[in-house]
Amino acid sequence: GAVVSQHPSRVICKSGTSVKIECRSLDFQATTMFWYRQFPKQSLMLMATSNEGSKATYEQGVEKDKFLINHASLTLSTLTVTSAHPEDSSFYICSASQPRGLITDTQYFGPGTRLTVL
Amino acid sequence: TQLLEQSPQFLSIQEGENLTVYCNSSSVFSSLQWYRQEPGEGPVLLVTVVTGGEVKKLKRLTFQFGDARKDSSLHITAAQPGDTGLYLCAGVLYGGSQGNLIFGKGTKLSVKP
Repeated sequence: GAVVSQHPSRVICKSGTSVKIECRSLDFQATTMFWYRQFPKQSLMLMATSNEGSKATYEQGVEKDKFLINHASLTLSTLTVTSAHPEDSSFYICSASQPRGLITDTQYFGPGTRLTVL
Repeated sequence: TQLLEQSPQFLSIQEGENLTVYCNSSSVFSSLQWYRQEPGEGPVLLVTVVTGGEVKKLKRLTFQFGDARKDSSLHITAAQPGDTGLYLCAGVLYGGSQGNLIFGKGTKLSVKP
């Protein structure tokens, strides 16, 4: 099956600093990558969708200037949380897809990154 | 408003028991997926159902998609401690973007030996 990795798996930072999270598709080319966040005991909430070589599309309520997404290659997308604050502490999960416009298009999820902002 | 309602939210059972988890909506979905998520890890896809009334089996797990494609169920037979985890249903709305997966809140299953 398709493998998606995330780095780092855990990060602790001070309030006001920026944190970059990487998402890589290891054995396939991901034309589309998705970023989710998951609060404790909550489900996954889509933050943004990024297509390789174009600007990300953000969901309503997600600040694009705070959560910078770059999808510069077919195997790598990055999420940068700028000027992080304690309320940004969460579990961030990416997924990757090679959509063919089929009903069975699948998203493959990474293992997640636990961000803790002190 | 939660488009996909999962029930129960929590389930604690003994090894060997059977259980069913439900995923319901008032909206029609073109496809529905079930995932299992371990603590501190990303969701792992178990199955995708796309046809109304479809039934898929994965060893002791049976997945069903409702005839009207508004609901789905996951049935586990003879649960084992290794089945412990968070089970999530997620779907693509009929007419919606294939990339826009809508998740339920999940069912946290604990199987005690």
